[in-house]
Amino acid sequence: DIQMTQSPSSLSASVGDRVSITCRASQYISTYLNWYQHKPGRAPKLLVFAASSLQTGVPSRFSGSGSGTDFTLTISALQAEDFATYYCQQSYSNFPTFGGGTKVEIK
Amino acid sequence: EVKLVQSGAEVKKPGESLKISCEASGYTFASYWIAWVRQMPGKGLEWMGIIYPGDSDARYSPSFRGQVTISTDKSISTAYLQWSSLKASDTAMYYCARRDPRSNGLDVWGPGTTVTVS
Repeated sequence: DIQMTQSPSSLSASVGDRVSITCRASQYISTYLNWYQHKPGRAPKLLVFAASSLQTGVPSRFSGSGSGTDFTLTISALQAEDFATYYCQQSYSNFPTFGGGTKVEIK
Repeated sequence: EVKLVQSGAEVKKPGESLKISCEASGYTFASYWIAWVRQMPGKGLEWMGIIYPGDSDARYSPSFRGQVTISTDKSISTAYLQWSSLKASDTAMYYCARRDPRSNGLDVWGPGTTVTVS
């Protein structure tokens, strides 16, 4: 299995802050990396696919970068509706795997 | 509108069998892979497996192979996840999701089915 390691596991931030979440793969995955947002009581939502492509309808304050083994999700100016848990997911192998999640909380 | 509607919450006893469903609408069901994702209480997302309704090709993550069965019924645009003998550790939320072949991401998700085994 390809292991996906996210950091930090949680962070506290204020509205308007710039926030970055990193995801590291245990082996090379090219740009086969997706990011999801998950709020309590709701289904996860695809934000970014192929490491840096924004899913239709996702605000431009979200961006993704990276390739190979190291990836980053950045929220340029945190909004109230962005407080959630974020997961990376590799789609390189026949057995896709998720990272452990990063919970973004209000400071 | 593209939609996945999942069956309702289940409360079962250890050893019982269960089959939960995921009904698709708004797109050609046979043409998109459907994945199942588990979230245990207080934990993260886990990829269980995926199935292509067009030919019922099912692929399981190693942790779930032999523990569950994924199937589809194309005639009613529905995917299923089933257990033959539930354990307390199967208590979780289960999501189905469509995989977009363009992005390889899970672009449409069902609302989830809560399974409680106690």
